[in-house]
Amino acid sequence: AQSVAQPEDQVNVAEGNPLTVKCTYSVSGNPYLFWYVQYPNRGLQFLLKYITGDNLVKGSYGFEAEFNKSQTSFHLKKPSALVSDSALYFCAVRDMNNNAGNMLTFGGGTRLMVKP
Amino acid sequence: GAGVSQSPSNKVTEKGKDVELRCDPISGHTALYWYRQSLGQGLEFLIYFQGNSAPDKSGLPSDRFSAERTGGSVSTLTIQRTQQEDSAVYLCASSLDRAGTFGSGTRLTVV
Repeated sequence: AQSVAQPEDQVNVAEGNPLTVKCTYSVSGNPYLFWYVQYPNRGLQFLLKYITGDNLVKGSYGFEAEFNKSQTSFHLKKPSALVSDSALYFCAVRDMNNNAGNMLTFGGGTRLMVKP
Repeated sequence: GAGVSQSPSNKVTEKGKDVELRCDPISGHTALYWYRQSLGQGLEFLIYFQGNSAPDKSGLPSDRFSAERTGGSVSTLTIQRTQQEDSAVYLCASSLDRAGTFGSGTRLTVV
């Protein structure tokens, strides 16, 4: 079984400060890891993914995430937050070795609030 | 179109009625997923289609829920005898590789 945990329901940060949204995962094999963002009244948008290779992954809108295998984490980061980054962020995992199941398992989501 | 299209965007129905939700995936995407997002909840996997293989229905919450994908393209999620707890945003995603592209969802309200 695969699972994802986003321990923070909400993260508050001031504009211009760095932000981190936490994600930890559990899979039986090797993970594919994803971050999605959901703006109000919009569908989910893909931000970035880790498949293999460099542990630091860069994605859309200046976001990046670091894969840490020993800590089974994939935290989302941005050096300088913008008010427009305020949204709901979802971390997701898929077991690379699970050929029969291709579904993504999502975390519960973290609401990011960036204050001016 | 360029993205995943879902219709209707909003649906209000009376308890006990049947509803059909439609998803038009991106052309050429072989995989199609349905998820449900309830108020204050995360995303709940419902069903997954991959090509001509038998769908993975392991996430469907009850036998009132069913889905079809005709011709490997358009998919319909049907909920029979709707209940108030079915109220949620139903999201469809399609993919060709490992990351999915999501539609804007259908907001279902059962009154």
